[in-house]
Amino acid sequence: DGGITQSPKYLFRKEGQNVTLSCEQNLNHDAMYWYRQDPGQGLRLIYYSQIVNDFQKGDIAEGYSVSREKKESFPLTVTSAQKNPTAFYLCASSIVRGETQYFGPGTRLLVL
Amino acid sequence: GENVEQHPSTLSVQEGDSAVIKCTYSDSASNYFPWYKQELGKGPQLIIDIRSNVGEKKDQRIAVTLNKTAKHFSLHITETQPEDSAVYFCAASKGRGSTLGRLYFGRGTQLTVWP
Repeated sequence: DGGITQSPKYLFRKEGQNVTLSCEQNLNHDAMYWYRQDPGQGLRLIYYSQIVNDFQKGDIAEGYSVSREKKESFPLTVTSAQKNPTAFYLCASSIVRGETQYFGPGTRLLVL
Repeated sequence: GENVEQHPSTLSVQEGDSAVIKCTYSDSASNYFPWYKQELGKGPQLIIDIRSNVGEKKDQRIAVTLNKTAKHFSLHITETQPEDSAVYFCAASKGRGSTLGRLYFGRGTQLTVWP
């Protein structure tokens, strides 16, 4: 069963804490992406990666960090520097950059 | 960069009626235009896409049209059903492998189909 998985489904962050969102794909896609979605808004690009060990900032990268050590995995860390982290986070992948993107089920991050 | 505008932001139709969502884009180099459907609490799912070498594409009750000259593309849903209720996003891209080939998304349209 191929696809993109994200975990956890819900995540709670305490003030000053870093949290990491998991994204795994078994589609053999080279490119992976992270988006943030706020109520009533579209998808805003946080980071993307075209290939292993390479990643680029998107439109709203401040307060976030990523790594791409394996083709299948693209974890996103929400750092304490991100002052308004409450949002729905979506991971996506595509066979190469610019092609059709396929999305995971999302992680909802809430601040305690 | 590319700017994608989507209208309307909300759309309510009666079951069985048609629904049309329109998007415009700014960069004439864009050549790939996917549409996504997002149900509440879930990730977006691709429902149809079109490339700039064709003007129209159909898949059962869903169709997409593209006017490259005017730089706009539209999603048409016929014989709407309550399960079509969702948020729909359009997107544009300069295409496969391009160094500038990221997807730019519209802000979404909340479609509600009343029984």
